[in-house]
Amino acid sequence: ETGVTQSPTHLIKTRGQQVTLRCSSQSGHNTVSWYQQALGQGPQFIFQYYREEENGRGNFPPRFSGLQFPNYSSELNVNALELDDSALYLCASSLAAGTAYEQYFGPGTRLTVT
Amino acid sequence: AQTVTQSQPEMSVQEAETVTLSCTYDTSESDYYLFWYKQPPSRQMILVIRQEAYKQQNATENRFSVNFQKAAKSFSLKISDSQLGDAAMYFCAYIGGSQGNLIFGKGTKLSVKP
Repeated sequence: ETGVTQSPTHLIKTRGQQVTLRCSSQSGHNTVSWYQQALGQGPQFIFQYYREEENGRGNFPPRFSGLQFPNYSSELNVNALELDDSALYLCASSLAAGTAYEQYFGPGTRLTVT
Repeated sequence: AQTVTQSQPEMSVQEAETVTLSCTYDTSESDYYLFWYKQPPSRQMILVIRQEAYKQQNATENRFSVNFQKAAKSFSLKISDSQLGDAAMYFCAYIGGSQGNLIFGKGTKLSVKP
C-alpha cells in the first residue's frame, strides 16, 4: 500500500509569483486535507476536499485555492506569494470526510518565498 | 471555537526514564477525538496515539499512554522507557463536531539524553 506522497520536496519562489503543490492520496482514500505549518508552529488547516468538492476551509485568503482530481489526488495553488507564505505544507488523506477517519500525512513540501 | 494548548515548548528526559507531555483543549462538543502526533526532523507527521472522547478508558500503545481527563479537558501523553528515537516535536490535536479538520497545539520539543 502506497502512502501519501507530495511533490516537490522543496521549492523556492519569489514574492508575487504563483506556486502549485501536489499531493497523491493513499490508495482507497477519497478525502484530502491541506495544512500550513509555519516554523515553530503547529499545522493550520487550509481546506479539505472530499470527492472533488471543497468540504471546509480554514482562515486563509482566496489566493489559496485547490483542486481534487477523479483519482483523488489534489493540488494546492497559491497566487501572489507573500513572504509569510514560507512554510511547510502538509497534505493528509483519509478514507472519507468526518471526524472518525484517521488522517495520514505526507512528508510535506517546504516552500521558501524570497 | 475549539483550541488546543501545549504549555511546554521544550522538555528533556534521560534515556530509559519516563516523561509526561501536557495538553489542554477547549470545546463545547460532546463527540470528538484527541491525538498525539510525533514529527521528527524528517517532517513526517506520525500518529502516536488516539483517544475517543466517549471512551473512559485511557488509550495505550506500547510505551505510550495518555491520561484523559474529560471534565478538566486535559489530555497528557506519558512516554515510558524513553528511547533516543523518541526525540521529536510532539503535537496534541483535536477533531470534533461537524468539522473534518484537525486543530493542533503549538507543539513540545522533546529531547532524549543518553
